[in-house]
Amino acid sequence: SQQGEEDPQALSIQEGENATMNCSYKTSINNLQWYRQNSGRGLVHLILIRSNEREKHSGRLRVTLDTSKKSSSLLITASRAADTASYFCATDSGGSNYKLTFGKGTLLTVNP
Amino acid sequence: NAGVTQTPKFQVLKTGQSMTLQCAQDMNHNSMYWYRQDPGMGLRLIYYSASEGTTDKGEVPNGYNVSRLNKREFSLRLESAAPSQTSVYFCASSEMGPQHFGDGTRLSIL
Repeated sequence: SQQGEEDPQALSIQEGENATMNCSYKTSINNLQWYRQNSGRGLVHLILIRSNEREKHSGRLRVTLDTSKKSSSLLITASRAADTASYFCATDSGGSNYKLTFGKGTLLTVNP
Repeated sequence: NAGVTQTPKFQVLKTGQSMTLQCAQDMNHNSMYWYRQDPGMGLRLIYYSASEGTTDKGEVPNGYNVSRLNKREFSLRLESAAPSQTSVYFCASSEMGPQHFGDGTRLSIL
């Protein structure tokens, strides 16, 4: 069963604009991660935020986590055409196996 | 610096045929995973191996078997392929956190 649900399913913006994607999940988590998938490729890890963290930054990426609402958001600032990809959130519930449960993803299109 | 390597990249099978998908990682990770990705869906975990010598079922294990051959290699076998197993299969590895993915095997079963 899917744990995370991304919103929106698809997002189209112009280069230079900011893109915000949201993720909601159902059960308690240990960590939440965001991944990017370019067409025809595997997933690439972007950022990990722990359940006791509220915000994290990495370059043009900003992730927030609200455990009381069981939700997270990914903000990409000053988007570029190269950011065009699908973005997935994934959660783990702790334990030594680090199993992840993925959402269905948001398809981001950045128009030049 | 290959990371996670999957072979083959593409395969077409007939219903009832068997096949093994290969995965190897060169990052000395303990944990390895097999996922399938279907259109409009996220990744669903088929099997995983938390460490060499151990394997466990994930969310959708029916119709599949796995072998953790050594620390580097983790294979996925379809014993009798069915059209419902048409999908893109991804292997991943990790060491306590972010997972590193291969570029997938695109499998069609006719």
